[in-house]
Order: sequence, then C-alpha cells, then structure tokens
Amino acid sequence: EPEVTQTPSHQVTQMGQEVILRCVPISNHLYFYWYRQILGQKVEFLVSFYNNEISEKSEIFDDQFSVERPDGSNFTLKIRSTKLEDSAMYFCASTGREGRQETQYFGPGTRLLVL
Amino acid sequence: SQQGEEDPQALSIQEGENATMNCSYKTSINNLQWYRQNSGRGLVHLILIRSNEREKHSGRLRVTLDTSKKSSSLLITASRAADTASYFCALLHGSSNTGKLIFGQGTTLQVKP
Repeated sequence: EPEVTQTPSHQVTQMGQEVILRCVPISNHLYFYWYRQILGQKVEFLVSFYNNEISEKSEIFDDQFSVERPDGSNFTLKIRSTKLEDSAMYFCASTGREGRQETQYFGPGTRLLVL
Repeated sequence: SQQGEEDPQALSIQEGENATMNCSYKTSINNLQWYRQNSGRGLVHLILIRSNEREKHSGRLRVTLDTSKKSSSLLITASRAADTASYFCALLHGSSNTGKLIFGQGTTLQVKP
C-alpha cells in the first residue's frame, strides 16, 4: 500500500542553524500538509499546500518557515534559523485527487531536536 | 475553540474488554477522522466519518457521530495489548477549503495482557 515517507527520521541541530525536512507524499496526491507535535502535546497544523502554493498557514508558520515542492515527488519544510522551541516531531501528510476533504495520510515523522 | 476535546484523557483496561473514547467539538464539521499513535511514532489513520454519516465500522472499530450533540465516539471491541496507543480525533471544519485538520489532545489507552 502506498505510504508517505519522511527523511531524516531524527535530526539534531544547533540553534540558529537551517534545517530541511523532506517528505515524499503518496504519488498522485495533490494536497500536502505539515503538522508538528511538541513532546506531550497535541498535533498542530502548520501549513497546507496545493497547486504549488500555500493555501493556508497557521500562526506558528512565520517567516522562518518555508515549504517547497521542488520536483514531482518531494515536499520540503525549511526552518531558516532554528530555535529551541522548534524541537518537535514534524509530520507530513497528503490527500488524494478526491479532494482536500478526504483522508489525510501521515508520514512517520521527523523528530527534530534543537540544542 | 474548534479543536476536539477528548475524554477520558487516559484509559486502562484488560485485554478482551471494550474501550470507548469520546470526542466533543464546538463548530460545524465536514468530517471527523480518528488516528492512532504508538508512543513516539507516526499517526495511523483509522476511520473517517462524514457529517452526514452516523456510524461506521472497520474491523473491531466502530465510530459514531452525533452532530446534534457535536460529539463522536470510537469503540474498540475485544481489545488486545497491541491496541495500546494514543488515539486522536481530528476535525475538518465545515467551511474548510484547505484541508486543515484540528486535533484533540488524545486519549491514552493501555490494554493490559
């Protein structure tokens, strides 16, 4: 069964460094999302992406964050200058051609630790 | 708030028993999705129920939706130790055109062998 994949599974970085989290959504899916989950807390929406542009972003998704779909398969989340509070699990998700009101399939996540 | 509020926050049962988790919300929804998360791992989709549906089944899972009470429940029958995980409801707002899901705090289920 097709699945969303994410790399790396874990990343440790120094505060102020840039990180790029990578996702390969399910092929032929059209709607892409990033969420994050700080340890012990609920999953929070960051951004949705469709037709090569952001369709909605949360207050968390400030100028330090950006997303890109550089080719037909990858979907990336970049944090330009990481802060301690960016430490979290980051999940990518995608939804198919049937529309954005369908099941969202999540990847296994990237655990980011900012020191 | 839009997010789902789940109860109980934690549930501990014996293998073979049924587990019921509830999710309440305050806004109109398009659909409600239930996910499972094993400790420190990814989110596994369980069931999606639309606002015009009242009940759905998938194996040992049964989900109900009562839009008049703005609540949903997830029932796991004949639980197994492998069902030990956190369970989240996630709402798609009624007017959403972006697919943004709003997650609840989750219920932590422990199934004792």
